[in-house]
Amino acid sequence: DAGVIQSPRHEVTEMGQEVTLRCKPISGHNSLFWYRQTMMRGLELLIYFNNNVPIDDSGMPEDRFSAKMPNASFSTLKIQPSEPRDSAVYFCASSLGLLGDRAYEQYFGPGTRLTVT
Amino acid sequence: EDKVVQSPLSLVVHEGDTVTLNCSYEVTNFRSLLWYKQEKKAPTFLFMLTSSGIEKKSGRLSSILDKKELFSILNITATQTGDSAVYLCAALRVGTYKYIFGTGTRLKVLA
Repeated sequence: DAGVIQSPRHEVTEMGQEVTLRCKPISGHNSLFWYRQTMMRGLELLIYFNNNVPIDDSGMPEDRFSAKMPNASFSTLKIQPSEPRDSAVYFCASSLGLLGDRAYEQYFGPGTRLTVT
Repeated sequence: EDKVVQSPLSLVVHEGDTVTLNCSYEVTNFRSLLWYKQEKKAPTFLFMLTSSGIEKKSGRLSSILDKKELFSILNITATQTGDSAVYLCAALRVGTYKYIFGTGTRLKVLA
């Protein structure tokens, strides 16, 4: 299995521009998570989906952030408009999302390093 | 508010040493605690602990959970330079997939 796939790996953009990050979870995984990691705040959960439905978006910082999961194999995280404080590494993770302990083991993608100037 | 606190924040040891990393938590409706290793890229899963007092072991790494005192430890014996990484713990609440991560312990193992 290829694991969780994220693109792009690096993104540099100017303040005010729209940014779209993409994620392909591991095939057969029912839950998908978007995280943001910074030195100051560590790893923060932004939103997670179960069976393509958003379950908890309480970590989404503000209305400039939105996430979608149109099908079981694809999700996007969009920032519009972007600001310098959005600079971070954004991780996507997936898990089986069913019953039992294995359901909770999350597998992370390589991350997208976003720099907003 | 739920929180997970790790200590120490950073640690430098020499190859062959044994280290103990700590993770304490205050989480409503706690279900499980997980440990991850993060090198330069994405976190990779190490252990999931749900029951108190049962040690989980993988090679030189082992971990145990104390649900009465609300903490977990991760032990690494005979450390190697390849163990250098940030070790993250995360708490999971019942009925949710929402993890609450600690800020991590940065371990550096010197040759």
